Amino acid sequence: DGGITQSPKYLFRKEGQNVTLSCEQNLNHDAMYWYRQDPGQGLRLIYYSQIVNDFQKGDIAEGYSVSREKKESFPLTVTSAQKNPTAFYLCASSISGVRDEQYFGPGTRLTVT
Amino acid sequence: AQSVTQLDSQVPVFEEAPVELRCNYSSSVSVYLFWYVQYPNQGLQLLLKYLSGSTLVKGINGFEAEFNKSQTSFHLRKPSVHISDTAEYFCAVMLTGTASKLTFGTGTRLQVTL
Repeated sequence: DGGITQSPKYLFRKEGQNVTLSCEQNLNHDAMYWYRQDPGQGLRLIYYSQIVNDFQKGDIAEGYSVSREKKESFPLTVTSAQKNPTAFYLCASSISGVRDEQYFGPGTRLTVT
Repeated sequence: AQSVTQLDSQVPVFEEAPVELRCNYSSSVSVYLFWYVQYPNQGLQLLLKYLSGSTLVKGINGFEAEFNKSQTSFHLRKPSVHISDTAEYFCAVMLTGTASKLTFGTGTRLQVTL
């Protein structure tokens, strides 16, 4: 079955630690995205990538970093510089990055204490 | 910059009743419009989308939406809801001719009861 996998489902970290969230897709999509979801705020775009080895900042990139070394993988690192990292993180992909619908993974809930 | 407004944060409705979830957007250029559904602790699933053509769009699970350019709206409707429709619904816009960045509304929680 084709789809997007995010692991782990739940992640707990201590304040001051960096943490990397995994996102893998086997849909052969060119474009991938990371969103953050907070209650009552909808989804906000963190980073996106339309092609391997290239990515752009979204609306709330501060405190986050990404890499896109392979077409199928787009890991997100939440750094210690992110002031409020506790949230639900969603990864998505689309065929070409223009006009196409986005397909979402199941999400990772990160709790930082 | 574009923005999306979902005025109703929660919509309670009885099973088998009709429902309308409202979505308004603002943009200085043409947009594509989407409705997604999210069940608790899950990712988002596409319900329907408007790219061009007929302004009445039919989606999955019996949902439909109508694009109204003059009112900059894209309201979601279902003539008869089921308990299983209880979920969070998100409206989103994408500017035409650009990288497919979605701007989401804040969501509407549809609560269906017996």
